[in-house]
Amino acid sequence: QKEVEQNSGPLSVPEGAIASLNCTYSDRGSQSFFWYRQYSGKSPELIMSIYSNGDKEDGRFTAQLNKASQYVSLLIRDSQPSDSATYLCAVIGFNKFYFGSGTKLNVKP
Amino acid sequence: EPEVTQTPSHQVTQMGQEVILRCVPISNHLYFYWYRQILGQKVEFLVSFYNNEISEKSEIFDDQFSVERPDGSNFTLKIRSTKLEDSAMYFCASSDTQRTDTQYFGPGTRLTVL
Repeated sequence: QKEVEQNSGPLSVPEGAIASLNCTYSDRGSQSFFWYRQYSGKSPELIMSIYSNGDKEDGRFTAQLNKASQYVSLLIRDSQPSDSATYLCAVIGFNKFYFGSGTKLNVKP
Repeated sequence: EPEVTQTPSHQVTQMGQEVILRCVPISNHLYFYWYRQILGQKVEFLVSFYNNEISEKSEIFDDQFSVERPDGSNFTLKIRSTKLEDSAMYFCASSDTQRTDTQYFGPGTRLTVL
């Protein structure tokens, strides 16, 4: 059983479009959810955390959490070529920190 | 802006040798973590450390691995007898007491076992 699942992509969107990234998790008791961005050969960089059901906005990023469906998503508005990276969903479940395999996002100029 | 640092950036070793990977967490952080990422695969949790002891560890973190905080600033990961499959990027992370689950990652050490 995979603790965190993501579509590996690549997800290609044109510059200026909305990119939608999705993640599901298996531990129904999970309380903390995170989105990280990872450029090739670099370390994960925290973008957002979310703890409550609903939406959380930070600039061009919106995280959405639905605990009943065990689903987390990240929307990136006005996507830029510099947003091209792998986006990692991370969840604290079973008292451990689990990352998904990541979704590769390609923003085309 | 404070950041986590790691040394060396790249370590090459022979199978069976011991390696020590070093990390300097952000200065006021008290929770420390090690992760690894095999090339092309996901980031995997190894161990968390608080108050000079291991808080949690994964199935990967077997007897070949150990962690230590030898002084007030460094946090180390030791692999006693490296195997080919230990080749990976190793990331250190730290978090503070206010938000223990918000972790900041170092740049990583690429370990290559020949």
